Amino acid sequence: KAGVTQTPRYLIKTRGQQVTLSCSPISGHRSVSWYQQTPGQGLQFLFEYFSETQRNKGNFPGRFSGRQFSNSRSEMNVSTLELGDSALYLCASTYLAGVHNEQFFGPGTRLTVL
Amino acid sequence: AQTVTQSQPEMSVQEAETVTLSCTYDTSESDYYLFWYKQPPSRQMILVIRQEAYKQQNATENRFSVNFQKAAKSFSLKISDSQLGDAAMYFCAYRSAVTTGTASKLTFGTGTRLQVTL
Repeated sequence: KAGVTQTPRYLIKTRGQQVTLSCSPISGHRSVSWYQQTPGQGLQFLFEYFSETQRNKGNFPGRFSGRQFSNSRSEMNVSTLELGDSALYLCASTYLAGVHNEQFFGPGTRLTVL
Repeated sequence: AQTVTQSQPEMSVQEAETVTLSCTYDTSESDYYLFWYKQPPSRQMILVIRQEAYKQQNATENRFSVNFQKAAKSFSLKISDSQLGDAAMYFCAYRSAVTTGTASKLTFGTGTRLQVTL
């Protein structure tokens, strides 16, 4: 079974631009969570989607948004990029949203904002 | 809100030796899950071991075992017979067992970088 895939793997943008990252969960997984990883702040939860609905959102500004499609693929968008948005963005999928399921992580997208 | 603390930014162990990584957490909940994740230089986060708070027995996965002390809110990871492939960042993580809202959210510690030397 294929793992979680994230595209692109690397991305370079300039301040003020917007960016869209994609995550394809493991086949059959319906829950997708996004995390931001930076040296200064560590791993922080962005949001979670289940059945095309945002179930949970972390403490990030409204410039960070996401969505999930009917095939469970998810995208996250960051508008008006700032230097501080440079990070590794990790996506994790779960078979069923809830407590008894492991989160499987993708390789991440490395975003650099210049 | 829950917090997870890893007080050891870096640890070093010789090959074949045993090392223990520390983790403490703070929560007002009684039911939750704790995890250790490994992130090698390739960046793919991998689950090493999980512990359900309602289980008193410490979890074990091959060379990896935990020491779960619920009253002390401590969750350490012991790696036995360390191998070069164990070199990575190790993150301790907490997840609520509540079935609604934040159930799937993982709260991570800051990580411990483990070096394995010959």
